[in-house]
Amino acid sequence: KAGVTQTPRYLIKTRGQQVTLSCSPISGHRSVSWYQQTPGQGLQFLFEYFSETQRNKGNFPGRFSGRQFSNSRSEMNVSTLELGDSALYLCASRAGTGTATNEKLFFGSGTQLSVL
Amino acid sequence: AQSVTQPDIHITVSEGASLELRCNYSYGATPYLFWYVQSPGQGLQLLLKYFSGDTLVQGIKGFEAEFKRSQSSFNLRKPSVHWSDAAEYFCAVGAAEYGNKLVFGAGTILRVKS
Repeated sequence: KAGVTQTPRYLIKTRGQQVTLSCSPISGHRSVSWYQQTPGQGLQFLFEYFSETQRNKGNFPGRFSGRQFSNSRSEMNVSTLELGDSALYLCASRAGTGTATNEKLFFGSGTQLSVL
Repeated sequence: AQSVTQPDIHITVSEGASLELRCNYSYGATPYLFWYVQSPGQGLQLLLKYFSGDTLVQGIKGFEAEFKRSQSSFNLRKPSVHWSDAAEYFCAVGAAEYGNKLVFGAGTILRVKS
């Protein structure tokens, strides 16, 4: 079974631009979560999608948004990029029949976003 | 609110020596606790998890962790470290009533010297 696939692997953008990151979960997984990882703030939860619906959201501004498609693939979008948005964005999938607290999360390798 | 503290930013151990990585959490009820490992340029891999029951949990790669409610701790241990264990280790806490999100500690970078 293929793992969680995130594209692109690296991305360089300038301030004010917008960016879209993609995540393909493990086949059969219906839940996709996104996390931001930075040296200063560590790993922070962005949001979780299940069956095309956002189920939970972290404390990020509205510039951060996401969506999930019927095939469970997910995208996250960041508009009006700021320097502080430079980070590794990790996607994680799980089956979704239980909760994240009793189901194993599988992480992708992430998209490294650099904002110049 | 949940929080996780990993007091050690860096730890260096000799190959073959024992290892203990510390994790303290803050949460009102019984939390669900996890340890993840991240190698450079990679995502996170689950080492072990604690939900309930036996407070000593066995994981992959020879790791174990012990849940101590009285100390609000969930320390990770390994009796003999291998050079391939060099990585960053994250402790995390979750609870269904917080919407299934995980709260991570800041991480501990493990260096292994030969």
